[in-house]
Amino acid sequence: NAGVTQTPKFQVLKTGQSMTLQCAQDMNHEYMSWYRQDPGMGLRLIHYSVGAGITDQGEVPNGYNVSRSTTEDFPLRLLSAAPSQTSVYFCASSRTRQETQYFGPGTRLLVL
Amino acid sequence: AQSVAQPEDQVNVAEGNPLTVKCTYSVSGNPYLFWYVQYPNRGLQFLLKYITGDNLVKGSYGFEAEFNKSQTSFHLKKPSALVSDSALYFCAVRDIGLDSGTYKYIFGTGTRLKVLA
Repeated sequence: NAGVTQTPKFQVLKTGQSMTLQCAQDMNHEYMSWYRQDPGMGLRLIHYSVGAGITDQGEVPNGYNVSRSTTEDFPLRLLSAAPSQTSVYFCASSRTRQETQYFGPGTRLLVL
Repeated sequence: AQSVAQPEDQVNVAEGNPLTVKCTYSVSGNPYLFWYVQYPNRGLQFLLKYITGDNLVKGSYGFEAEFNKSQTSFHLKKPSALVSDSALYFCAVRDIGLDSGTYKYIFGTGTRLKVLA
């Protein structure tokens, strides 16, 4: 198993550009989520999904879209990048609601 | 509102001494509590969790945590710290929505542990 994979590892964007951060897991996990990590802020939940076709907002959803068309993939879309979205983004998954989360290696995003 | 608090930004401890990293929580219902560790430039790794049962939970790398319902705390402990334990530690709680079909995880702000040789 590859576990949770994220691409790209690092990305530089200009303000106003759009992009998609990819996340995939090969463990047949039902729960997937996106977090951003900022200094002194811990991890803040952006969006999450409890299964294919079901998504919901977390603490900081503005400026981000998600979809879950398959169990394996949970892409995060930045619609119009802003400097405030400079952060490290982590994707995570868990098999069921009682299981622990497995984290991807992260995507470091810089918005100029 | 649901929340998790890690009151210490940093904890320093000498190698060989016991360590404690504090966590308190506020959620509705019975919480599921977790500790994760993050090494530099890496994702988070699971250490241990409390779901139900014995209040003392043992986890990876010799870590343990004690669930205290009356104090709403879930402090992480280790009897003898190692320099290699130096990392960023996150406490998290899984909040079950009123509709049990929804749930999400809430993380604390993290505590940086420095173990000094």
